[in-house]
Amino acid sequence: AQKVTQAQTEISVVEKEDVTLDCVYETRDTTYYLFWYKQPPSGELVFLIRRNSFDEQNEISGRYSWNFQKSTSSFNFTITASQVVDSAVYFCALSEERGNKLTFGTGTQLKVEL
Amino acid sequence: AAGVIQSPRHLIKEKRETATLKCYPIPRHDTVYWYQQGPGQDPQFLISFYEKMQSDKGSIPDRFSAQQFSDYHSELNMSSLELGDSALYFCASSPGGGTGINGYTFGSGTRLTVV
Repeated sequence: AQKVTQAQTEISVVEKEDVTLDCVYETRDTTYYLFWYKQPPSGELVFLIRRNSFDEQNEISGRYSWNFQKSTSSFNFTITASQVVDSAVYFCALSEERGNKLTFGTGTQLKVEL
Repeated sequence: AAGVIQSPRHLIKEKRETATLKCYPIPRHDTVYWYQQGPGQDPQFLISFYEKMQSDKGSIPDRFSAQQFSDYHSELNMSSLELGDSALYFCASSPGGGTGINGYTFGSGTRLTVV
């Protein structure tokens, strides 16, 4: 069975600090997909990134970067120079190739303060 | 670009009443998924449909049923509502029956409050 663990329940940082959100996953499949979603207070789920299990290349998109390490089953998310607008709940999620559902982690509440 | 449309956005029902949530997927998306997110919880998979057939089932209560219609829109029917059914209900759609390969697009959700 697939499982996603986000050990950090809540993180508080001061604006302009860098912050890393951890995600550890479990799956028996060799082909799988990892996702990060942002859920602001308004409630919608905002897609950030999808990565397949064969692509371990790290990715950078503006202030966002992702570090995928199969050896440690981790898919961590870093926000550089955080801003107040980054305050939200961030979910890591996993989808196996054979299944067609997302399994979410419990989310990390990020609070960025001035 | 067209997104996944969910209606209504907000719904208030009393205990033991019935509710119907609707989801209109992105055009040419043939797969629809339903998720339930309780307060302070992560989204939990309920059920999915591919080409109008149920393709997977998660932790969906027997009081709930869902279907996908010929135009690919889907409805989630919830009967004998309980206070614990109060949640944000998300619909997502994807093309080609697979989430990972083709990705998901989520709707904005329906917030159901049972009083």
